[in-house]
Amino acid sequence: GAVVSQHPSWVICKSGTSVKIECRSLDFQATTMFWYRQFPKQSLMLMATSNEGSKATYEQGVEKDKFLINHASLTLSTLTVTSAHPEDSSFYICSAGGAQPQHFGDGTRLSIL
Amino acid sequence: SQQGEEDPQALSIQEGENATMNCSYKTSINNLQWYRQNSGRGLVHLILIRSNEREKHSGRLRVTLDTSKKSSSLLITASRAADTASYFCATDVGDMRFGAGTRLTVKP
Repeated sequence: GAVVSQHPSWVICKSGTSVKIECRSLDFQATTMFWYRQFPKQSLMLMATSNEGSKATYEQGVEKDKFLINHASLTLSTLTVTSAHPEDSSFYICSAGGAQPQHFGDGTRLSIL
Repeated sequence: SQQGEEDPQALSIQEGENATMNCSYKTSINNLQWYRQNSGRGLVHLILIRSNEREKHSGRLRVTLDTSKKSSSLLITASRAADTASYFCATDVGDMRFGAGTRLTVKP
């Protein structure tokens, strides 16, 4: 079946560092991918919709200059957390799929020291 | 913003018992989906039910949908310890919106 690969699975870095997370659709093309953020024991909150070849659509309250999204190909979207701070520590998950259901990556746990 | 709201927030049962989780949503939908998430992992799709369907089965899973009440339920029969996870419902309103989830613990 369709698989979405997310990398890295775990990142620990110092405050002020920029971190890039990759989301790849392995056996299908995805014109749209979604990025979610999840705090412990909470639900997934949609951050942005990544559109291949065009600008991402951000949810209200999500800083586009803080969370840079690039969807340069039909199989890859990247989320860059710029100048990360401890409050950016969270679990980030991507999903892709031309139609329902969506297929999810395994998530990236980001810890900013 | 969240679309679905699950209840209960947490459920603890013994192995072999049935587990029922409920989900309510706010707007009209095309379909509703249930997902499972093991701790620290991504989501695994369990079942999709379309707005014109009332009930759907998949193995030990049974999902119902009541569009008049804007609610859905997920029943896991004969639960196993391996069913311990968080369960989320999600609706398809343009993009996917998730409820807060039910944390299910199945004790061996």
